[in-house]
Amino acid sequence: EVQLLESGGGLVQPGGSLRLSCAASEFTFSSYAMTWVRQAPGKGLECVSTISGSGGTTYYADSVRGRFTISRDNSKNTLFLQMNSLRAEDTAVYYCAKDRRDGNPPYPYDYWGQGALVSVSS
Amino acid sequence: ETVMTQSPATLSVSPGERATLSCRASQSVGSNLAWYQQKPGQAPRLLISGASTRATGLPARFSGSGSGTEFTLTISSLQSEDFAVYYCQQYNNWPATFGQGTKVDIK
Repeated sequence: EVQLLESGGGLVQPGGSLRLSCAASEFTFSSYAMTWVRQAPGKGLECVSTISGSGGTTYYADSVRGRFTISRDNSKNTLFLQMNSLRAEDTAVYYCAKDRRDGNPPYPYDYWGQGALVSVSS
Repeated sequence: ETVMTQSPATLSVSPGERATLSCRASQSVGSNLAWYQQKPGQAPRLLISGASTRATGLPARFSGSGSGTEFTLTISSLQSEDFAVYYCQQYNNWPATFGQGTKVDIK
């Protein structure tokens, strides 16, 4: 069974940085695009960033472009999200999600991690 | 960016009854439409993609229909485990966007 396990969430002050990781298993990691989706408390879902299977192509929501960086290490089956210049409005549960395929996203997300809570507050 | 609008915001249904959830796109997304179910404290779960293709193992009481800008998720006979929030998502163009969700609760 596909597993996605996020880590790295926590409390950070406005303007600070945090790095999320997502350890993937039980599928050929490099063959699929991967996406970070976030959900603010009591709110809906927002796609934050997607990365192609090779890591060569990345996509960002306007709300995070220039502040967040998505990357992956296919040798370690791990996805990352480096978050800089954090704002209160970035407070959310961040989910790592597996795209249905690789190629030209977006695609449906067929597996999700359990989520990592990021709280931005002074 | 394609805006997805779901209705109603809350749907109160008795167990065994039929539930019909609607989703509208601000521009055509073809059949590039998915539905997700989310229960409290859990990650979303993919139910339907391609507007009408059920995920592996999904009970037949769930069905999706529509194309272009108008879509429907129907749950033919609600079971206790179906009470949750349902989101539609378009994946026709980046960024993929979700509706605000429809909460299906017990009447």
